[in-house]
Amino acid sequence: QKEVEQNSGPLSVPEGAIASLNCTYSDRVSQSFFWYRQYSGKSPELIMSIYSNGDKEDGRFTAQLNKASQYVSLLIRDSQPSDSATYLCAVNKNNAGNMLTFGGGTRLMVKP
Amino acid sequence: EAGVVQSPRYKIIEKKQPVAFWCNPISGHNTLYWYLQNLGQGPELLIRYENEEAVDDSQLPKDRFSAERLKGVDSTLKIQPAELGDSAVYLCASSFGTGGTDTQYFGPGTRLTVL
Repeated sequence: QKEVEQNSGPLSVPEGAIASLNCTYSDRVSQSFFWYRQYSGKSPELIMSIYSNGDKEDGRFTAQLNKASQYVSLLIRDSQPSDSATYLCAVNKNNAGNMLTFGGGTRLMVKP
Repeated sequence: EAGVVQSPRYKIIEKKQPVAFWCNPISGHNTLYWYLQNLGQGPELLIRYENEEAVDDSQLPKDRFSAERLKGVDSTLKIQPAELGDSAVYLCASSFGTGGTDTQYFGPGTRLTVL
């Protein structure tokens, strides 16, 4: 079992719809969770971080964390073609310094 | 503020040749990371530096890979000799500290092709 798992996709949604990206992790001691966006041929860029159970909203993005279920998700409202990218979930155990374990990423395609 | 700088951006070499990658982190960032990213996969940590000290290099293939961070600023990652399976993108990242909430900022990466 991989430490951080994501559906590789592609996830295809129409413009204006809500895109829902999911991630599960295996280590219960994980404390910090991050969503990075990576455009093709570019480097990962942090878009959201979440540390407590519940929802965290930032503009069109909402991160959701459920530590009991070891599940973190990212919702993108009013999806735009410019949101088309690979979204990487990253988990930090915190007890070993600032070390991120990444999932394989989910490719999102937003169709006009 | 300048971001993480990496060079070269692209490198094509023949197998068994040496290759080196350079990284300049964001000014003031004490922690520097080297990641490897294969096509269609997430980045995998190779080594992490806190200032000049390599504090985690458990994933670095030490028979052929080496890294250094002189004076706690710039870093170099070297492969000698390169193998076909080393073809990947090598990403450098930096963060201000080592806390679990410290954001890691990534450079543009070096795309290595080994023929």
